[in-house]
Amino acid sequence: DIQMTQSPSSLSVSLGDNVTFTCEASENIYGFLAWYQQKLGKAPKLLIYGATNLEDGVPTRFSGSGSWTNYSLTISSLEPEDIATYYCQNNHVYPLTFGSGTKLEIK
Amino acid sequence: EVQLVESGGGLVQPGRSLKLSCAASGFTFSNYYMAWVRQAPKKGLEWVATISTSGSRTYYPDSVKGRFTISRDNAKSSLYLQMNSLKSEDTATYYCARHYSSYIYYFDYWGQGVMVTVSS
Repeated sequence: DIQMTQSPSSLSVSLGDNVTFTCEASENIYGFLAWYQQKLGKAPKLLIYGATNLEDGVPTRFSGSGSWTNYSLTISSLEPEDIATYYCQNNHVYPLTFGSGTKLEIK
Repeated sequence: EVQLVESGGGLVQPGRSLKLSCAASGFTFSNYYMAWVRQAPKKGLEWVATISTSGSRTYYPDSVKGRFTISRDNAKSSLYLQMNSLKSEDTATYYCARHYSSYIYYFDYWGQGVMVTVSS
């Protein structure tokens, strides 16, 4: 199974910050990487697919990058509504696996 | 508007069974692979099962293989998850999710989730 390792597990941030967090796959997933945002008590929401493609309706302050085993999600100029937990997902092969999440908190 | 609405959750004793349902609307259900994803309390996301458009192919992680069965009724636009031999570690919120396509395995729409508690 492909293991997905996210870091950091939590991040204390200020509004307006630029934030980047990472996701490392245990083997090459060829860019088949998705990012989800989950707000407290809500279902996950797709943000990024194919490592770099922004889902329709997602603000352009979100961007994804990476290849092979290393991927990152960047939020430019953090807004209050971005406070959430972010998960990456291997969607290259079954079993589909998620990272353990990065939780954003306000300083 | 795509909508996925789960039902059937609740409290169940270890070793017993439970069947979850997901009612889909706003899209042609029969054209999409569908899945269940769960989240234990204060934990991360875990993919539980996927089913092909016709129902002929199903996929599971080892953690539920042999105990859980995913199925669908395209005429009713409904997805199901039969859970047998439940364990305390199956306690979670279960989400119904739509695969983007048959060969691209991310989830573009999610239901609101249904809670399953396995406890005596």
